[in-house]
Amino acid sequence: DTEVTQTPKHLVMGMTNKKSLKCEQHMGHRAMYWYKQKAKKPPELMFVYSYEKLSINESVPSRFSPECPNSSLLNLHLHALQPEDSALYLCASSHQGAGGYTFGSGTRLTVV
Amino acid sequence: KNEVEQSPQNLTAQEGEFITINCSYSVGISALHWLQQHPGGGIVSLFMLSSGKKKHGRLIATINIQEKHSSLHITASHPRDSAVYICAVPYSGGGADGLTFGKGTHLIIQP
Repeated sequence: DTEVTQTPKHLVMGMTNKKSLKCEQHMGHRAMYWYKQKAKKPPELMFVYSYEKLSINESVPSRFSPECPNSSLLNLHLHALQPEDSALYLCASSHQGAGGYTFGSGTRLTVV
Repeated sequence: KNEVEQSPQNLTAQEGEFITINCSYSVGISALHWLQQHPGGGIVSLFMLSSGKKKHGRLIATINIQEKHSSLHITASHPRDSAVYICAVPYSGGGADGLTFGKGTHLIIQP
């Protein structure tokens, strides 16, 4: 298995909702990432998990809460989002300290 | 944090033309990545290179570490090459810290 799988592919949520994005890989990668991409902009790093521990949090608002339950799974819990949080959320993984990155196809999130 | 500059931002060419996309960065790196993103959103890794040149099919990537510059070339371009091409470098220092992306080059190849 050489893929990063993200679910759901599309999500529409209200500002009072709680939802979660899921990312899964079975390549044995020990580093996993969340990126946020607004339209016509490059992806921006949000969180990095290394060996299931949060190693980088790029000053992301607390309404975004990451979780890494095991080495294959990465979640992003969403609560009380704003319309400006609407974006494509990309998950990626890599071998710790070396190698290339594998990206998921993303979750397109719309906050209404 | 490394700064990444890409040029051109937009490029329209005719099928069969030779394409060059340039990337420069501000801080020394362990490796540079070239990525491709189609309108659907998914990102595909094309190359990771730390020196010299790599070739895969019609795609060629080169890097000059001393000059902090890399280029991506497409030979015999085809409409299916139309996509956004992104240069990326390690976010901080290397290792598995994630990537900092350039703004991307939006390439359109017309039949």
